[in-house]
This record gives sequence, structure tokens and C-alpha cells, in this order.
Amino acid sequence: AAGVIQSPRHLIKEKRETATLKCYPIPRHDTVYWYQQGPGQDPQFLISFYEKMQSDKGSIPDRFSAQQFSDYHSELNMSSLELGDSALYFCASSLRRGGGYTFGSGTRLTVV
Amino acid sequence: SQKIEQNSEALNIQEGKTATLTCNYTNYSPAYLQWYRQDPGRGPVFLLLIRENEKEKRKERLKVTFDTTLKQSLFHITASQPADSATYLCALDAGDRDDKIIFGKGTRLHILP
Repeated sequence: AAGVIQSPRHLIKEKRETATLKCYPIPRHDTVYWYQQGPGQDPQFLISFYEKMQSDKGSIPDRFSAQQFSDYHSELNMSSLELGDSALYFCASSLRRGGGYTFGSGTRLTVV
Repeated sequence: SQKIEQNSEALNIQEGKTATLTCNYTNYSPAYLQWYRQDPGRGPVFLLLIRENEKEKRKERLKVTFDTTLKQSLFHITASQPADSATYLCALDAGDRDDKIIFGKGTRLHILP
């Protein structure tokens, strides 16, 4: 069965550069979520989209933005990267009403 | 503010025994409580969801209980196996009131052969 696809799997960027992470949710799932997980930390909610509209926003820096496109894939754009942005970034999708989330394998971003 | 507490220390359990993990929460009224498994460098994998009006849920060797009075969920793995070794995350879901789920820090479980 198709899972949530994230790309790239690994990304190395320098400080002040820009990164774009992509997520392809499970077909027919109506909600997409982005989470950031630092080493040894729990996943922290960044932002979500329901039917291509932003539905909730968490502790996402102003340097980050995200959108969901007409084909339901989502992109997380990160600008002016800082060393502290190094983390695993997960995308997840679900049906909005009372279901578990399906997570992608994540993108490991390293800022040097 | 909302707070989710899971066993902060790693849990070592002998193979074949039952592993029990605890999730306590404060300042929150979840409509659902979810449990996930996470292996190092991988995304969390959904295991079970229990609703606020359910006391217990089972799935194969897994059992989850949910006590909204105590604000606590227990997650049991019976007949544990070394392959069950992972970090287990508790997550709170407010249902229609909120889009996101909030994760606890997780408990690292080691099943010793």
C-alpha cells in the first residue's frame, strides 16, 4: 500500500541558505501535518493543512512557510537556515476524523 | 499549559514478560489518545487509538487502557519480543477541537533476550 512519501531523505545546507522539503500524502487523506523532531526530542507540530487550506499552526518560525498544492502534495520552505534547524522533519497525513496519522520516513536536514 | 508525561527512563523487560508503559497528561481533554512506535531515524508508526468513552482497546499483543478521571493511559505489550524494542510515543488528539496531535517525549523500551 502507498505510504506518505517525503523527499529528499537527507539534505545538507549551509547557514542562511534555503531548503524545500516535499511531502506526498496518502491518496484520499484530507489532512497533512508537518512535524520537527530534534535529537532525543518528541515531534513538535509545525503546521497542518486540511483540504489544501492551512488549518492549524504550531511553533513554526516566521522563516518557514508551507503550502499544499492542488494535487495534495505539500512543501515546507525554510529560509535563512540556522544551525538549530538541524532536525528530522516529518510529514504525516490522515483522514481528519479520529484516525491515526501515517508518517513519512522523514527528511534529515543538517545545517552546517 | 498542556503537559504529557511518559516514563522518562528507559524500560528494560525480559523477553516473554508484559511491558507496561504509562502516559499521564494535564491541562488537556483529549477526545482520543494514540500510541505510536518509533525506531531510530524513522517516522512514528501508528499502533492504536482509543476514544475518551472507551476504557480498553486491544490489538493482537497490544492493549491500551484510558482513564479520563486519572488522566492516564497504560500501554501493554504481552509476550514481549526483542523486536518490540523501540521508543513508544503517546499522543493526545482533541478531535474536532484541534487539528494537531501533541506527542509525549516517549519511553524507550528494551526487550532483553
